[in-house]
Amino acid sequence: KNQVEQSPQSLIILEGKNCTLQCNYTVSPFSNLRWYKQDTGRGPVSLTIMTFSENTKSNGRYTATLDADTKQSSLHITASQLSDSASYICVVSAAWGGATNKLIFGTGTLLAVQP
Amino acid sequence: DSGVTQTPKHLITATGQRVTLRCSPRSGDLSVYWYQQSLDQGLQFLIQYYNGEERAKGNILERFSAQQFPDLHSELNLSSLELGDSALYFCASSAGTLNTEAFFGQGTRLTVV
Repeated sequence: KNQVEQSPQSLIILEGKNCTLQCNYTVSPFSNLRWYKQDTGRGPVSLTIMTFSENTKSNGRYTATLDADTKQSSLHITASQLSDSASYICVVSAAWGGATNKLIFGTGTLLAVQP
Repeated sequence: DSGVTQTPKHLITATGQRVTLRCSPRSGDLSVYWYQQSLDQGLQFLIQYYNGEERAKGNILERFSAQQFPDLHSELNLSSLELGDSALYFCASSAGTLNTEAFFGQGTRLTVV
């Protein structure tokens, strides 16, 4: 069964600190892995997208890693800001066949950055 | 702005009623996805269309249906509404090819009273 599990469920950190969010998946056949940031009541916004051959991808203070062998990914946030408070969702794309894919969503990690 | 437009932004309706949510994908995107997000819940995949055809089905109730029109916009129809159907409904679009980004609309907040 295709599944995406994220940990921790929620996290509180102090402003300026770093944190790492985890994502484990059992999705086959794997196409790519994406991290999204979702502010409360808003649509998710893409942070990174990585294919099988990519190990690391950065987007500003966000750095995502991918280990396709162990089927694990992490999102590292550096020097956190209050605006980083949001849900971070790991999404794994399964190759559906032809020119389309199927997105499998994790339930997200809720991050709260305290001043 | 993701380029994906959802209307209406908010909807309040009574139990037993029927509503239609609309999604206009980004220009050129062939795939449209519908998701439901209840309070404090993750995104639940409902259904995907690709160039007018249904491609994947998730946890979509029989009371719900969707379609994608020739101009690629999509509608999600929710009928015989129940209180538990209150949620944010998101639409996302992608080019449909592998390894392309999916862009989300701002959602429609449905409240069933």
